[in-house]
Amino acid sequence: EDKVVQSPLSLVVHEGDTVTLNCSYEVTNFRSLLWYKQEKKAPTFLFMLTSSGIEKKSGRLSSILDKKELFSILNITATQTGDSAVYLCAVEPYTGNQFYFGTGTSLTVIP
Amino acid sequence: GAVVSQHPSWVICKSGTSVKIECRSLDFQATTMFWYRQFPKQSLMLMATSNEGSKATYEQGVEKDKFLINHASLTLSTLTVTSAHPEDSSFYICSAARGGNQPQHFGDGTRLSIL
Repeated sequence: EDKVVQSPLSLVVHEGDTVTLNCSYEVTNFRSLLWYKQEKKAPTFLFMLTSSGIEKKSGRLSSILDKKELFSILNITATQTGDSAVYLCAVEPYTGNQFYFGTGTSLTVIP
Repeated sequence: GAVVSQHPSWVICKSGTSVKIECRSLDFQATTMFWYRQFPKQSLMLMATSNEGSKATYEQGVEKDKFLINHASLTLSTLTVTSAHPEDSSFYICSAARGGNQPQHFGDGTRLSIL
């Protein structure tokens, strides 16, 4: 059965800390892995990863995919209180329209 | 680009009424739109995939007659919760993709509360 597992489930850090969020997957016919940030409303898109070893970067956020070991990490450096959110990882296979979502990592950044 | 608008953002209604939620892709055409449901502190659960001009594909366990989906055009899909009951209270989110290997972009979601 296809699945996506995120860890840790929740994380509390202080402003300025660096965090690493993990997403491992077992999905047949992998096409892409996506990271989303969800605050009070619907998720907002962060990154889409399709190739191993190529880091995607946006400001203090970066992400990389390892298709051999079947995982991805999302790094946030110099965290700010505005980074507090649930970070969702989703995997899209080539077949069908199903996106497999992880349960998310709840990040709380305290001043 | 890739803006998805969902309306309404919040609905409170009595048990037994039907509620329609609209999902629009504002600046792109979406052949496929997706409807998700999210319970508190849980991840997104795909309910159905909506294809323009054809019947929606529902996930196992989702009642087709309860959750009516219409994808009338390349920019609009609607979800109607028929004869809603308190257990239907949830956060409903739609998403759309340009097609091909493009990420899904989400609407802001609709918080539905059935009294």
